[in-house]
Amino acid sequence: GQQLNQSPQSMFIQEGEDVSMNCTSSSIFNTWLWYKQDPGEGPVLLIALYKAGELTSNGRLTAQFGITRKDSFLNISASIPSDVGIYFCACTQGAQKLVFGQGTRLTINP
Amino acid sequence: SAVISQKPSRDICQRGTSLTIQCQVDSQVTMMFWYRQQPGQSLTLIATANQGSEATYESGFVIDKFPISRPNLTFSTLTVSNMSPEDSSIYLCSGLAGGTEAFFGQGTRLTVV
Repeated sequence: GQQLNQSPQSMFIQEGEDVSMNCTSSSIFNTWLWYKQDPGEGPVLLIALYKAGELTSNGRLTAQFGITRKDSFLNISASIPSDVGIYFCACTQGAQKLVFGQGTRLTINP
Repeated sequence: SAVISQKPSRDICQRGTSLTIQCQVDSQVTMMFWYRQQPGQSLTLIATANQGSEATYESGFVIDKFPISRPNLTFSTLTVSNMSPEDSSIYLCSGLAGGTEAFFGQGTRLTVV
């Protein structure tokens, strides 16, 4: 099946630093989604992207849909402790099924 | 957005037994899905729960092991049958109310001993 390559797998940063993670695919997708999962919870949608080149912000989060439609990045500015968690990219694969990246585990040192 | 209530949130089960996980959505959704998430891993789609008909399973998942029901547009169940320790995982349901922005239940953490 289709695969999304997400990197980095983990990040250890200081509070206040900016974060950047990305996903790439060998296939073209029409939708890129970014989710965050806290321990013991299901993923929560952060940002949805629908157009190639689209740049969307949600507070301190900014995500872009790559112009080739094969990649996307998520940036978090001025990280705070509650940003800790696992971030997943996801794309829609026929019949609204989602395929997920491997996840980026974010750890923040106060 | 819609809210999914998933239960149980966690369970410890004996091998050879079965566990049924329930998801209730607070509004009608067009699509419902079931995922498995191994510890520290990403989400893998088990099946699409079809309202009033048999679920559509992904490669590697079969109805005898993971029977699914979806009697209406707001409710679905997943049963993990004849469990073994390899079934220990987090199971998640998700819904789509139209479009592509899926939302998820809280997950069920299953441990098989």
